[in-house]
Amino acid sequence: DAKTTQPPSMDCAEGRAANLPCNHSTISGNEYVYWYRQIHSQGPQYIIHGLKNNETNEMASLIITEDRKSSTLILPHATLRDTAVYYCIVSLGGSQGNLIFGKGTKLSVKP
Amino acid sequence: DTGVSQDPRHKITKRGQNVTFRCDPISEHNRLYWYRQTLGQGPEFLTYFQNEAQLEKSRLLSDRFSAERPKGSFSTLEIQRTEQGDSAMYLCASTTFGQGAGANVLTFGAGSRLTVL
Repeated sequence: DAKTTQPPSMDCAEGRAANLPCNHSTISGNEYVYWYRQIHSQGPQYIIHGLKNNETNEMASLIITEDRKSSTLILPHATLRDTAVYYCIVSLGGSQGNLIFGKGTKLSVKP
Repeated sequence: DTGVSQDPRHKITKRGQNVTFRCDPISEHNRLYWYRQTLGQGPEFLTYFQNEAQLEKSRLLSDRFSAERPKGSFSTLEIQRTEQGDSAMYLCASTTFGQGAGANVLTFGAGSRLTVL
């Protein structure tokens, strides 16, 4: 079973920031938080990952709480093309980690 | 490189027939994964390879499912004696093995959709 809890759906207005929460209260000290998204009829796409520190790349920012029990993926200026299912996954790195997907959050960006 | 390629994109078959899906990973990637995704669910891990070695296959759904990666490049997933419950999207992903978090940064293909009548 997935080790994360995400809301099943969220709406966001185009141009506004989308903040997608994820709870992972049983995360262990050496597990990373990964975010992927899946646009309709496509394979999942990697977005970002982190361990303890906040991370930012060209797609998004990842904010991890100090106790690491939850995180938030931030899309700073959502567009219609960001409409997708977003998956939050916790996993070990290296040879021990296989990605276990839950049901994710369906984000709908509306004009 | 055009990313991870999967073929065919769509397959319709009758119950009891065998089907085979092919995955061509990114050329420099030595790890290859197979996932299955049913409607409304997230992808479900099936098996993975490092080069030609199949390192995990206990998640394959039944003995009707098998996967190969004979030369460490492309891979095939075969389903024998298909059942209606096998109808799903079959996803392939690849990455370059290494220690640390990067080993889980996977590039997925677009998937092969199977419909069993």
